[in-house]
Amino acid sequence: QQQVKQSPQSLIVQKGGISIINCAYENTAFDYFPWYQQFPGKGPALLIAIRPDVSEKKEGRFTISFNKSAKQFSLHIMDSQPGDSATYFCAAELKYNFNKFYFGSGTKLNVKP
Amino acid sequence: ETGVTQSPTHLIKTRGQQVTLRCSSQSGHNTVSWYQQALGQGPQFIFQYYREEENGRGNFPPRFSGLQFPNYSSELNVNALELDDSALYLCASSLDFSGNTIYFGEGSWLTVV
Repeated sequence: QQQVKQSPQSLIVQKGGISIINCAYENTAFDYFPWYQQFPGKGPALLIAIRPDVSEKKEGRFTISFNKSAKQFSLHIMDSQPGDSATYFCAAELKYNFNKFYFGSGTKLNVKP
Repeated sequence: ETGVTQSPTHLIKTRGQQVTLRCSSQSGHNTVSWYQQALGQGPQFIFQYYREEENGRGNFPPRFSGLQFPNYSSELNVNALELDDSALYLCASSLDFSGNTIYFGEGSWLTVV
């Protein structure tokens, strides 16, 4: 059973557009939600993360929106650039289970010039 | 460049064989986690080592085993290889397990034929 469900599987966005990737979870014991970016041939790299005590976190062009009651969170990439083309994974960590993450299945983002 | 190095980068094994994958963690990091990433999927947590002791295990059979050495480098061993073990194996290191930031290596691609 997938602990974190991610959609869409793939996404095509024009340069300058907004990319939105969604994730949902069931286990209310999750208390840390990172997003990872993975380029071909590389390992995932931490992009941005949020805890459930805030509803939004913004770092540059990347924003996480968090809806605790709906058990959903999303990544928004503003002004998407071709260099953002990569696979994005949401993840979740159980409280006190540090650095043992449950990952979503990934979204392959293609930003067209 | 995360400072986490893995070897070998690619290898092909026959079903039933055994394989050892190696990971050198980032300098100063004493916690190593291993993940399995099947093609087109998100990483799945295998196990974590903290100061040479196993510190948590995911839903993987006992034929997946590991070691962490005094210099905090680590090995992942898989016995009795099955075709479904074909995947990218990722090692991630962290400074203890309190900071929630893990740094992934580029992985070892294992193909079982």
